[in-house]
Amino acid sequence: AQTVTQSQPEMSVQEAETVTLSCTYDTSESNYYLFWYKQPPSRQMILVIRQEAYKQQNATENRFSVNFQKAAKSFSLKISDSQLGDTAMYFCAFAGTPHSGGSNYKLTFGKGTLLTVNP
Amino acid sequence: NAGVMQNPRHLVRRRGQEARLRCSPMKGHSHVYWYRQLPEEGLKFMVYLQKENIIDESGMPKERFSAEFPKEGPSILRIQQVVRGDSAAYFCASSPPVRRNYNEQFFGPGTRLTVL
Repeated sequence: AQTVTQSQPEMSVQEAETVTLSCTYDTSESNYYLFWYKQPPSRQMILVIRQEAYKQQNATENRFSVNFQKAAKSFSLKISDSQLGDTAMYFCAFAGTPHSGGSNYKLTFGKGTLLTVNP
Repeated sequence: NAGVMQNPRHLVRRRGQEARLRCSPMKGHSHVYWYRQLPEEGLKFMVYLQKENIIDESGMPKERFSAEFPKEGPSILRIQQVVRGDSAAYFCASSPPVRRNYNEQFFGPGTRLTVL
């Protein structure tokens, strides 16, 4: 079974600065997908960024980028130019693929990191 | 295009009562997933349904919990004889028919269940 670990329960950053959230995972599958979801106070789950394990290039979405280290099973999220609206819980998640013997629909989530952006 | 709809947003039940949570997937989506989020935890997979079929219910407690996705109408997650430990946020997600290796799941706003 896959596990996802987020070792930072809480983090804070000043507005306009950069912050990195950590995530490690454990799997025996060779191909899979990794995600970062944002959960603001409204509790709506919002997909921030997605990485396919067979792609070596790190995914980026505007101010959000990842550092994907497949050998180390590490998947960190970097938020540049932090904004007050970035304040939220951030969840790292994993999904396997059928070709690797896994499930491509069962997301496995970490416990989350509460990020606070201070003015 | 409306997103995934869940109702009610908040539900309060006394121990022993039944809770029924509803989820309307996005238009064109025929796959529905239910997740549970306990306090201070991440979301945990419960069940995956397609129209009139349960595909994977490996995350559902064996007793008191059931889910359905009828041909017409929303998906329903039903919890019978609720206990305080059922208090959680229940999220529904939907996706279109899987054509690629992975299809993105779109989440609803969740239903927060409180058992008194």
